This record gives sequence, C-alpha cells and structure tokens, in this order.
Amino acid sequence: SAVISQKPSRDICQRGTSLTIQCQVDSQVTMMFWYRQQPGQSLTLIATANQGSEATYESGFVIDKFPISRPNLTFSTLTVSNMSPEDSSIYLCSGGVANTGELFFGEGSRLTVL
Amino acid sequence: RKEVEQDPGPFNVPEGATVAFNCTYSNSASQSFFWYRQDCRKEPKLLMSVYSSGNEDGRFTAQLNRASQYISLLIRDSKLSDSATYLCVVTRDTGRRALTFGSGTRLQVQP
Repeated sequence: SAVISQKPSRDICQRGTSLTIQCQVDSQVTMMFWYRQQPGQSLTLIATANQGSEATYESGFVIDKFPISRPNLTFSTLTVSNMSPEDSSIYLCSGGVANTGELFFGEGSRLTVL
Repeated sequence: RKEVEQDPGPFNVPEGATVAFNCTYSNSASQSFFWYRQDCRKEPKLLMSVYSSGNEDGRFTAQLNRASQYISLLIRDSKLSDSATYLCVVTRDTGRRALTFGSGTRLQVQP
C-alpha cells in the first residue's frame, strides 16, 4: 500500500489569489492523479500528473487554471490559480501502480475561497 | 448522461439486514470495476474489485454484468461500522488507469 500526504489540509483564501497543494507519496507509484470533490458530490478527475512532463487534463480543466508539476515519482503539486468561490472544494491527490486497480488517496485539501 | 450512475440513497437499514446497491455505467469499453468506500470527511478507500465471475469478501459480494453494464454490491449482516458512502468506480481505459467515480450511495445502519 501507499501512504499519501497532502498539505495544506485546509485553507481559506481570498478571491484572485493562488494556492499550491503539495502531495507526497511514501513509495514509488507509477500513476498520480488529482481529483476534486465538491460538497455532496463525488470525485471528478482534474488531471493525470505525468512525471517530468505536462499533465494530461480532463475536459473542463486547463493548465492555466490548474498547473500541475510532478518532478519525480513520489511528489506532485497542484496550483489553483486566480481563485473564485466556485473553486471551493476538496482537492485529493491519488496514486497507484499501473495494472492494479487500487488508487490510494491523500486525506484531501479543503479549500474555501471567500 | 453520467458515466457512472448510482442511487444516492440514503439507505437506512437495521443492524443485521442485507442491503444491495446497484450501479450502471455508460462506456461499454470500461475495463475494470471497483467498489470504494468513503466515510464522512475522509478519503475514499478500496473496498473490493468486481469481476465478471462475481467475487465475495466476507459479508460483501460484488457482481458485474457486462452485457447490461451493471454492477452490484451486496452487504449481508450489516454492521453499524458499515455506515458510509459506497462509490461505484470504473476505469475508462487501460492506459492511464484513471478512475471514474459514481456519485455514491449512502448507507446508514441503525441499531
């Protein structure tokens, strides 16, 4: 199994600012993803974090708004740029090994934008 | 149409009851199927994989019907600790292994 640590665990931010969320995995995973979970909703995939190259974004998510880095196998960051209240959500980092079904999740970063 | 659809519930059942959750998925090319469990204000965790032949893990039984694009989860002898949201999950492709989550079915087991 993998243990995934995210920080910050929560933050309250002002409209128009940006926040970077860090994700650290305690073992090497081949796949890393970023999800968003809005209140009362299920998880929506934002992007696949690719090691050493640009992330692969899902429909409705763009790099300018959600820049992602993954400099090595065990670390990734997600930035929420130019925040608005609609960005208030829980952002979850996840990791797994290819050809297995299991994804491990961090505890999430709860973001509130005022 | 959502890629993965579930009845949101809540399902309120007494301890010891048997409860079943259903899920349908829209992409016939979906490769792998899972049930995840999410406790309130916690991250999702894998409960079990779902195979075409059906599989059982203790009190939990999962089944897949590819022809109908239908997945089920049966919980027998419900415990208070089973109270959670159960997420039906499919993979969209074998390449990136990104998971697509249903909106979840909430279960509340009552004493």
